[in-house]
Amino acid sequence: EDKVVQSPLSLVVHEGDTVTLNCSYEVTNFRSLLWYKQEKKAPTFLFMLTSSGIEKKSGRLSSILDKKELFSILNITATQTGDSAVYLCAVEADAGGTSYGKLTFGQGTILTVHP
Amino acid sequence: GAVVSQHPSRVICKSGTSVKIECRSLDFQATTMFWYRQFPKQSLMLMATSNEGSKATYEQGVEKDKFLINHASLTLSTLTVTSAHPEDSSFYICSASRLRRADTQYFGPGTRLTVL
Repeated sequence: EDKVVQSPLSLVVHEGDTVTLNCSYEVTNFRSLLWYKQEKKAPTFLFMLTSSGIEKKSGRLSSILDKKELFSILNITATQTGDSAVYLCAVEADAGGTSYGKLTFGQGTILTVHP
Repeated sequence: GAVVSQHPSRVICKSGTSVKIECRSLDFQATTMFWYRQFPKQSLMLMATSNEGSKATYEQGVEKDKFLINHASLTLSTLTVTSAHPEDSSFYICSASRLRRADTQYFGPGTRLTVL
């Protein structure tokens, strides 16, 4: 059974701090790893990672994947109160072409950024 | 970006009744839609994968006779919770896939179901 574990489960920081969120996985036929931000309702896409060691960056957010050690990190620098959300990690597995886009989610990290 | 809507956003029903939730891709055609359930402080759990014009594929442990999925067009999928019970109370989220790629899977805003 595919498994995705995120840590920490929750994190409280102050504006300006840098945070690192972790995601480890055990998946058969790994295809990609995705990060989402969920504020109140729909998760919104942040990054998709398929190759080891290549950092993806978007503003203050960055992420990298290690396929040997089976984990990914999401970094947020100079945090702002608007970064407060649940950050979800999900892994896509190749199930023979019939489950394209099928995602297994981790339990999420609740990030709270105080002013 | 692509927009996915869900209706209703919130529904309260009595035990034993059936509830239908709609998921629409508003500005793109989705050959595949997914239905997830999210319990409080837990992650999204995939319930079923719905392909337009064919039967849905249910995940292990999800009762297909209880959670009826219909994907009649490239922009609409429906989830019907039949004979709902309080334990079915949850947040149901759909997603629609524009291309056969995980990063083109767009999520709806979710439906909060409360069964009394």
